[in-house]
Amino acid sequence: GNSVTQMEGPVTLSEEAFLTINCTYTATGYPSLFWYVQYPGEGLQLLLKATKADDKGSNKGFEATYRKETTSFHLEKGSVQVSDSAVYFCALRDSGYSTLTFGKGTMLLVSP
Amino acid sequence: GAVVSQHPSRVICKSGTSVKIECRSLDFQATTMFWYRQFPKKSLMLMATSNEGSKATYEQGVEKDKFLINHASLTLSTLTVTSAHPEDSSFYICSARDEEGSNMYEQYFGPGTRLTVT
Repeated sequence: GNSVTQMEGPVTLSEEAFLTINCTYTATGYPSLFWYVQYPGEGLQLLLKATKADDKGSNKGFEATYRKETTSFHLEKGSVQVSDSAVYFCALRDSGYSTLTFGKGTMLLVSP
Repeated sequence: GAVVSQHPSRVICKSGTSVKIECRSLDFQATTMFWYRQFPKKSLMLMATSNEGSKATYEQGVEKDKFLINHASLTLSTLTVTSAHPEDSSFYICSARDEEGSNMYEQYFGPGTRLTVT
């Protein structure tokens, strides 16, 4: 079956530091890959996505590249802000009508 | 962009009572909606897939008689927690799938409902 593995958190960084949150996946076929962000007390928001190998998703300074050879979709940001503090979920969907499979989430804490 | 609302945002109820949570897609029609449960510091657990005009599909281990789902229109799904107990306390999140246009298959999430059973 499908699965998503994320690095455990929390990840604690100072403002303007470089961020990497690792995500690897297992899926049959060619899934679409997603990063969602959840701010405290809120639902999930789609941060970025990639639908095929070598695609790069980007949004709000975050980016992730779909690497089929390493089955990875690591999230990166060059300079984090305090407002980026949230829980980040990596997810996959293996076809249009299938459900999302989520990783366990990684909490990011950014201090001033 | 597509917006999904949930109501209420938080609810406190007494043990043994029932609570209804609404999920609405505000600017698109959703044949399919999903209900998730999130425990503290844990990932989202898919509870059920709600299909407009037909019975919901529940995930293994989810009691369908306890978590009643109704999807009577293309913009509204409801989750009713019947005879609630303290162990049902959780954060419930719905999502709705857009099945038309350029955003086909995208799931949009509601803001969540915090249920506390005393």
